[in-house]
Formats: sequence, C-alpha cells, structure tokens
Amino acid sequence: DSGVTQTPKHLITATGQRVTLRCSPRSGDLSVYWYQQSLDQGLQFLIQYYNGEERAKGNILERFSAQQFPDLHSELNLSSLELGDSALYFCASSPQESSYGYTFGSGTRLTVV
Amino acid sequence: AQKITQTQPGMFVQEKEAVTLDCTYDTSDQSYGLFWYKQPSSGEMIFLIYQGSYDEQNATEGRYSLNFQKARKSANLVISASQLGDSAMYFCAMRGRSGSARQLTFGSGTQLTVLP
Repeated sequence: DSGVTQTPKHLITATGQRVTLRCSPRSGDLSVYWYQQSLDQGLQFLIQYYNGEERAKGNILERFSAQQFPDLHSELNLSSLELGDSALYFCASSPQESSYGYTFGSGTRLTVV
Repeated sequence: AQKITQTQPGMFVQEKEAVTLDCTYDTSDQSYGLFWYKQPSSGEMIFLIYQGSYDEQNATEGRYSLNFQKARKSANLVISASQLGDSAMYFCAMRGRSGSARQLTFGSGTQLTVLP
C-alpha cells in the first residue's frame, strides 16, 4: 500500500456522462498530481494542486476539472465523456510543491462505452 | 521542455540474468531528477530508483542500479539476477526545477519479459 488512495478502482460509464475520481494523498503530503495513461498518449500530466491551490496545468482538456479540498483530498471531474477518455487515471502525491519524489496511487481505470 | 526517450518497446531476459533498460533524456535544466518506475500488469506505478543530476555516484537499490552518464544524457536501469516477478512495464521519468519541467515527464516505457 503506497498510502495514496484512489477510488473507485474501476469505472464504466457511457459517452456524454460525467464522473468524479477521488484521491486521498499520503499522510502529510500537500501536493497532488493527476496523470492520465492511455494507449496512444502514454503517461501525461494533467494538473497539480498544492495545499488547495492549483499550481500547474498540463494537457488537461477543458471538459476536465479538478480541485483539492481543505482536508487535502482531491477530485478529478470528467464531463461529456468520449470514447477516447478511456484510460487509467493516476493520482500521485508529494510532501512539498517541488518535491522530487512522487508516490502514486493504484489508479482508476475508466472505460467509456 | 524536457523529453525522455526509451527506444526498447520490449525486452526479453532469461531468469537470473542481468538486463539493461535504456533511457536517454533531454533537458535545459541544470538540476533535475531521474526516476524509474515499474508497472506490473495490475496497473500500479511502483517507484524503483532515483538519481539526482548532481549525485556523483550511481544510485543503487537492491537488485536495481542506475547507470547515469550525464554527458551522454543517459540513465539506464540495470536489473541484476532477474526474477519472474520482474516481468512488467518499466518507465523512465525525469523532473526538472523550472516551469513545465517541474512536472514528472515519462518515457514511453519498455515491456520486460523474464523467461523461465
């Protein structure tokens, strides 16, 4: 157990729908990162939060949004889902904003049908 | 911008032998970190080893060692005495200090299969 908890582990939903992925960082970690892993794009950085504030954005679609709550857990919201959004979504956490070390959760596998 | 290149989509190794997984990188940062992660078929990302750009010695963690050649911008992972459980996808990654380079950038991965 890495200490980073992601729920749900698996999610199957239809096109056009909206889903929320949840991440609880490792105890004491203030920074949360979201990554998407798909067959054609590989592992791509989506967004980073540090202590509740957005810190960096990567290749995140406008249909996707995220937030980090006061208790430091984070949610990634995916809306108007398309078949191409099917992927493994990882959350990672680190102690500080610029810590080198990341700890990854086990991922949420999203299947859009 | 930083980039990680893994040129071996797949590798095979006999059990108990050593194997080297290649990784080259490109960055304009002077200070950066290099990582290797293992992703078994179950999907989780497991951290293996880290090398800082200013570390003078190659990093080692048990059976894993990182062959760091800064001038050549390479950070190859060496797995000694391969085990069947080493069969997995392996990703090289790096993180810089400035701008977008502060995010962990991954290579495309190498699928390692250990043969009995």
